[in-house]
Amino acid sequence: DADVTQTPRNRITKTGKRIMLECSQTKGHDRMYWYRQDPGLGLRLIYYSFDVKDINKGEISDGYSVSRQAQAKFSLSLESAIPNQTALYFCATSDTGINEQYFGPGTRLTVT
Amino acid sequence: GDSVTQMEGPVTLSEEAFLTINCTYTATGYPSLFWYVQYPGEGLQLLLKATKADDKGSNKGFEATYRKETTSFHLEKGSVQVSDSAVYFCALTPRGGSEKLVFGKGTKLTVNP
Repeated sequence: DADVTQTPRNRITKTGKRIMLECSQTKGHDRMYWYRQDPGLGLRLIYYSFDVKDINKGEISDGYSVSRQAQAKFSLSLESAIPNQTALYFCATSDTGINEQYFGPGTRLTVT
Repeated sequence: GDSVTQMEGPVTLSEEAFLTINCTYTATGYPSLFWYVQYPGEGLQLLLKATKADDKGSNKGFEATYRKETTSFHLEKGSVQVSDSAVYFCALTPRGGSEKLVFGKGTKLTVNP
């Protein structure tokens, strides 16, 4: 089984809908991250969490919220989806003090 | 702020050709440097890393050397294969333990038989 899983893998939704993307990990890492990938822009950090009680905004947090339900689970929500949130979303984890991140397979989100 | 600039693609090579993908960075202090690879339809995987000046990271025939004097971390491979076709991302984490990755925009490599 994959160490970092994301659900759903693909999602099409309409403008204004609320949507949640979920990430689970079995690596036992404390730190978890959400990125979005857009063509030609690389990956940009949305939110990150260094433990269950620690949530931090990344460079593009507007329009998103997160929840760290447990050490192993980190969810990303779009409260009211808009078309420019169409992107590929990645979850990642890392161990404290080890600067290497492990990525999930990604969720392709399309907002129409 | 910290940033990474890598050569724009796409890059198309024939099998067994020599590969160089340029990467330069801007950061305060001494960041850790990484190359990640994204195969079609998959998430990113760490390819190699270097944590201090003059370190050479290597993996699967790929190499990159941390050059502080030129703030560069260029990726090289002597003989590419079709299976190396992917998107390659240069990235850094600033010194200080934040472990937040700052990515370049990615370079798509296609290797033809």
